[in-house]
Amino acid sequence: GAVVSQHPSWVICKSGTSVKIECRSLDFQATTMFWYRQFPKQSLMLMATSNEGSKATYEQGVEKDKFLINHASLTLSTLTVTSAHPEDSSFYICSASWAGEQYFGPGTRLTVT
Amino acid sequence: GEDVEQSLFLSVREGDSSVINCTYTDSSSTYLYWYKQEPGAGLQLLTYIFSNMDMKQDQRLTVLLNKKDKHLSLRIADTQTGDSAIYFCAERLNQGGKLIFGQGTELSVKP
Repeated sequence: GAVVSQHPSWVICKSGTSVKIECRSLDFQATTMFWYRQFPKQSLMLMATSNEGSKATYEQGVEKDKFLINHASLTLSTLTVTSAHPEDSSFYICSASWAGEQYFGPGTRLTVT
Repeated sequence: GEDVEQSLFLSVREGDSSVINCTYTDSSSTYLYWYKQEPGAGLQLLTYIFSNMDMKQDQRLTVLLNKKDKHLSLRIADTQTGDSAIYFCAERLNQGGKLIFGQGTELSVKP
């Protein structure tokens, strides 16, 4: 139980375009989901906390107009990277909260060319 | 502030025990976690310990918590090549609260 999926698992896009990443809780409902970014050989940095039906809470230094988060249902949160640039290339991981614990998705590798 | 520190690398021989160490700064942490990340994959929860516990054992894994020194360790007995991965410790301040991760320790297991 407590499985979280992400789609796509990897994506390559051109600079200036937008990319949407989906995070789904497959066998449970999650009122809270979290979005992390991980650069190579580095730790996970929390970007934002997404609550179903309300606006996301962004961590300091994360541009909310660039990283749009929508948590429209109890099983789906989306992260849209708008006007992507090469420096946005990273591994994006989501997690979903259930019974007080966080369960992580497999991650999405974004490469911006 | 909240800070979690780990050593970056550990190399052991297959069959030996591995000990990965972690220190944290926030004494109000309620739960402390160990996650495993294999290349290109997400995080797999290995084990966790509640802050009022000193030790927790789960098969080959032993977690030790020294709350006075704010030191957490993960011991893997009989380490196998399949244990090669990056191990993250993380602290959580309250129920459902955000996780603060360490930098990760890359464990290399040599046959």
